[in-house]
Amino acid sequence: QSVLTQPPSVSGAPGQRVTISCTGSSSNIGAGYDVHWYQLLPGTAPKLLIYGNTNRPSGVPARFSGSKSGTSASLAITGLRAEDEADYYCHSYDSSLSGWDVFGTGTKVTVL
Amino acid sequence: EVQLVQSGAEVKKPGESLRISCKGSGYSFSNYWIGWVRQMPGKGLEWMGIINPGDSHTKNSPSFKGQVTISADKSINTAYLQWSSLKASDTAIYYCARRGPRISLDFWGQGTLVTVSS
Repeated sequence: QSVLTQPPSVSGAPGQRVTISCTGSSSNIGAGYDVHWYQLLPGTAPKLLIYGNTNRPSGVPARFSGSKSGTSASLAITGLRAEDEADYYCHSYDSSLSGWDVFGTGTKVTVL
Repeated sequence: EVQLVQSGAEVKKPGESLRISCKGSGYSFSNYWIGWVRQMPGKGLEWMGIINPGDSHTKNSPSFKGQVTISADKSINTAYLQWSSLKASDTAIYYCARRGPRISLDFWGQGTLVTVSS
């Protein structure tokens, strides 16, 4: 069902910078719909990290940042920490059919 | 503090019915849409549908239309996801989430694990 494509995995050493891409199409990201990012840790509720492409909710560290261009978006994590090891998903809206929310395929971030 | 608290894990047999719940607190429940998201074992997130608790207007994802029923009772700040006849392929974690700014999902429930097995 996923119409947004993410790399299955990315990794980095503590302190490094990693980026996760989210590639869509002209009916979702390319149509101007916002992209949001979530962090999933096992056994806990998913957490909103970035909303509206670039905005961080209160309490989310500035190490997390988002960007969007054309039909793609990216999440960057700088100063990677052990607790950042988790699954990350992008989320947007797709105007095909009657319109529906769509998620990315998910990316596992491993801290080496 | 905004919270969405979901009902506990369920183990069911194929063909059985089930309703799981998502209770909101710490905000005006009627004023925010509630969405449901599925995560099958080892898989990613899938959008199932959304409800406006204020008027119970729902919008299901094409992939789930006719498969589940989304409802809400605003008098007790609770949204529901219901199956009339479960299948083994319904085994998954189900999350509820509140529609937030810019159509994000700003608060999530802790998830309900549904296991369907004979």
